[in-house]
Amino acid sequence: EDQVTQSPEALRLQEGESSSLNCSYTVSGLRGLFWYRQDPGKGPEFLFTLYSAGEEKEKERLKATLTKKESFLHITAPKPEDSATYLCAVHHLSGSARQLTFGSGTQLTVLP
Amino acid sequence: EAQVTQNPRYLITVTGKKLTVTCSQNMNHEYMSWYRQDPGLGLRQIYYSMNVEVTDKGDVPEGYKVSRKEKRNFPLILESPSPNQTSLYFCASSSLAFGTGSSVQYFGPGTRLTVL
Repeated sequence: EDQVTQSPEALRLQEGESSSLNCSYTVSGLRGLFWYRQDPGKGPEFLFTLYSAGEEKEKERLKATLTKKESFLHITAPKPEDSATYLCAVHHLSGSARQLTFGSGTQLTVLP
Repeated sequence: EAQVTQNPRYLITVTGKKLTVTCSQNMNHEYMSWYRQDPGLGLRQIYYSMNVEVTDKGDVPEGYKVSRKEKRNFPLILESPSPNQTSLYFCASSSLAFGTGSSVQYFGPGTRLTVL
């Protein structure tokens, strides 16, 4: 069964305390892995796309990496404005359909 | 401004009363999709459309209908809503080049639906 699992479910950090979020997946026909940020009451906002193992993308304090089984979102010296839910989604081929399967997210809180 | 819009943003209704949630995008995207988001379950795909008059089921299509008569619009129809369809709904769109560098899905602001 195609599955995307994110951990931890929730993470509280002090401002400046670096950490990583994990997204592990078991899908057939991986076509890409996406990271989104979602603020309360809003739609997900695109952050990164990764397509192959070993690929890395960076944006400000965020860095996403991809292996054959999982992806990490590294947050370096986070600030309170980085508080949000971070969603991982895997684009894969399931039968003849094109599907995007989401994990349930990691809720990040950065305390000042 | 490139965007996906949804209406209404909030809706409270009663069991069995047909409703439609509209979705519109101004990016000339071929691919559009509907998701529902529930606590602990993440975003789950309801239906998607590859282009005008081409739609297909996602993971949780039961109780929903969609249509794609125009490229920019992709309404979600609940013919007879039930309380288990109370959820936060998102519409999304992307170019057809899904799986390439230009295939990011852009999401609307969401519609919070409550079925009593």
